[in-house]
Amino acid sequence: EPEVTQTPSHQVTQMGQEVILRCVPISNHLYFYWYRQILGQKVEFLVSFYNNEISEKSEIFDDQFSVERPDGSNFTLKIRSTKLEDSAMYFCASSEEGESNQPQHFGDGTRLSIL
Amino acid sequence: GDSVTQMEGPVTLSEEAFLTINCTYTATGYPSLFWYVQYPGEGLQLLLKATKADDKGSNKGFEATYRKETTSFHLEKGSVQVSDSAVYFCALKNSNYQLIWGAGTKLIIKP
Repeated sequence: EPEVTQTPSHQVTQMGQEVILRCVPISNHLYFYWYRQILGQKVEFLVSFYNNEISEKSEIFDDQFSVERPDGSNFTLKIRSTKLEDSAMYFCASSEEGESNQPQHFGDGTRLSIL
Repeated sequence: GDSVTQMEGPVTLSEEAFLTINCTYTATGYPSLFWYVQYPGEGLQLLLKATKADDKGSNKGFEATYRKETTSFHLEKGSVQVSDSAVYFCALKNSNYQLIWGAGTKLIIKP
């Protein structure tokens, strides 16, 4: 069964450094998402992406965050200048369509630790 | 705003016991409802879904029925196994196609 893959599985970065989290969505999917889960808290929506542009973003997704689909397969999340509170598990997801009855399929996540 | 409330865990059961994990939601319109499962050390996997009132989602012996009148989507399984030990998340997809998540319920099954 096709799956969403994320790399790396664990990223350790110094505060203030830039970090790029990578995702390869399922190949025929058109909608892409990033979520995060701070330890002990709920999973939170960050951003959705369709047709090479952001379709929705949350308040968390400020100017420090950006997303890109640099080629036909990768979908990246960049944090420009990391803060301690960016430490979390980041999940990428994709879906065939954006409609409400279409499930989002998730990767295994990247654990980001900011020192 | 839209929200999902799940029963707090951990829920600890013996093997072959009956499982219920409660989930209620608040949303405008008619959201789709999902249960995701996260096994130790793994990502979020879709367990089941229901897209309209009275729909029943089912998978791997788990079931949940979309109850509009009680705004609930409780997860049930008739006989749990040790391998069902995981964290279970209830979620709704809102009108902006974002998933809104419950806090997750950790399930521990003892042999």
